[in-house]
Amino acid sequence: LAKTTQPISMDSYEGQEVNITCSHNNIATNDYITWYQQFPSQGPRFIIQGYKTKVTNEVASLFIPADRKSSTLSLPRVSLSDTAVYYCLVGDPGAGNMLTFGGGTRLMVKP
Amino acid sequence: DTEVTQTPKHLVMGMTNKKSLKCEQHMGHRAMYWYKQKAKKPPELMFVYSYEKLSINESVPSRFSPECPNSSLLNLHLHALQPEDSALYLCASSQPASGRADEQFFGPGTRLTVL
Repeated sequence: LAKTTQPISMDSYEGQEVNITCSHNNIATNDYITWYQQFPSQGPRFIIQGYKTKVTNEVASLFIPADRKSSTLSLPRVSLSDTAVYYCLVGDPGAGNMLTFGGGTRLMVKP
Repeated sequence: DTEVTQTPKHLVMGMTNKKSLKCEQHMGHRAMYWYKQKAKKPPELMFVYSYEKLSINESVPSRFSPECPNSSLLNLHLHALQPEDSALYLCASSQPASGRADEQFFGPGTRLTVL
């Protein structure tokens, strides 16, 4: 399984764009990259998933370079309510192994 | 209904007690999961059920016993737990055939304290 590495914590201010990078040097051909958000005492919530290049939805963008050895979650114009832990997962959904959460990045958004 | 419900919300039990955690989803998902999460740590996978059959057991001690009575329900039976088993227990479900590969929907968790 591809191991992921993320920064332990990040600080930002309201209205700024936040980019959180995840390293996954041994990503396999069939692996997808998925990001989850977790608030205290709640279960994680799916944010976005991608395989290559760029994916965008209503809450975030995911940038994946051609070598796929890293990925960047981009949160546009964060607010205080975006303060949470963000987890990067890498795995092959077809093999049912996208189940290992990395250490996560604790994002603190300040006013 | 895109919700996974878990009961109870909180549970305090002694080391000799037997208790059960319950998880329910009505999204038609055919995969259900149990995770354990300690404070300030990521969720750790415990069990996976696929089409009501246990497909993954991550070497979990036998004092934790999962059960999947039907496609909507998942139980975790607890017996003779240790204080270090105190944690947030999360249930999740997913539908592998969905457009989003393996997106898991998580419940709010059961906060378990073992005295």
